[in-house]
Amino acid sequence: GQQLNQSPQSMFIQEGEDVSMNCTSSSIFNTWLWYKQEPGEGPVLLIALYKAGELTSNGRLTAQFGITRKDSFLNISASIPSDVGIYFCAGQNYGGSQGNLIFGKGTKLSVKP
Amino acid sequence: NAGVTQTPKFRVLKTGQSMTLLCAQDMNHEYMYWYRQDPGMGLRLIHYSVGEGTTAKGEVPDGYNVSRLKKQNFLLGLESAAPSQTSVYFCASSYSAGTPYGYTFGSGTRLTVV
Repeated sequence: GQQLNQSPQSMFIQEGEDVSMNCTSSSIFNTWLWYKQEPGEGPVLLIALYKAGELTSNGRLTAQFGITRKDSFLNISASIPSDVGIYFCAGQNYGGSQGNLIFGKGTKLSVKP
Repeated sequence: NAGVTQTPKFRVLKTGQSMTLLCAQDMNHEYMYWYRQDPGMGLRLIHYSVGEGTTAKGEVPDGYNVSRLKKQNFLLGLESAAPSQTSVYFCASSYSAGTPYGYTFGSGTRLTVV
């Protein structure tokens, strides 16, 4: 089945640093989503991307939908301690009969104050 | 608050015991899903439902059963729990097949099987 490769698996950074993570797939998607999961909670949607090449921001977060439709990246600028959590990418082909999300394995972010 | 509610939040089972996890959503979503999350494995789909009275298998369905008797509820059952089913279970819902807005997740049930 479809699989997503998400990297890096974990990151340990200093407060104020920028963060970059990415996701690649062997298959194309027509939607890329980025979720954040805080400890003890379920994933929460951060950014959704619908078009190849699209660049979307949400505060300090910026995500891009790769031009090949097989990859996406998420950048976090000027990290703060509350950015701690696991970030998941997810690909989806909506419009089909199923449209289930395919998730990456996550990037665990730790921020040192 | 509108959203997805999972009960219980924590549970410890002995091997061979059975239990049911309940998921309830008040957003009138058609689709509902059960995932399990294990360290380093991400989120893996167990079963899903595309509407009241329907269920389908996901990626890792063995050892689990589900029912969707009411649109707002999706139940996950473990008939004979095994230690390999120790995990965090998440329920999610969505408005339609492949909604471009993704899924809304519950806050999870942490299950330990000893």
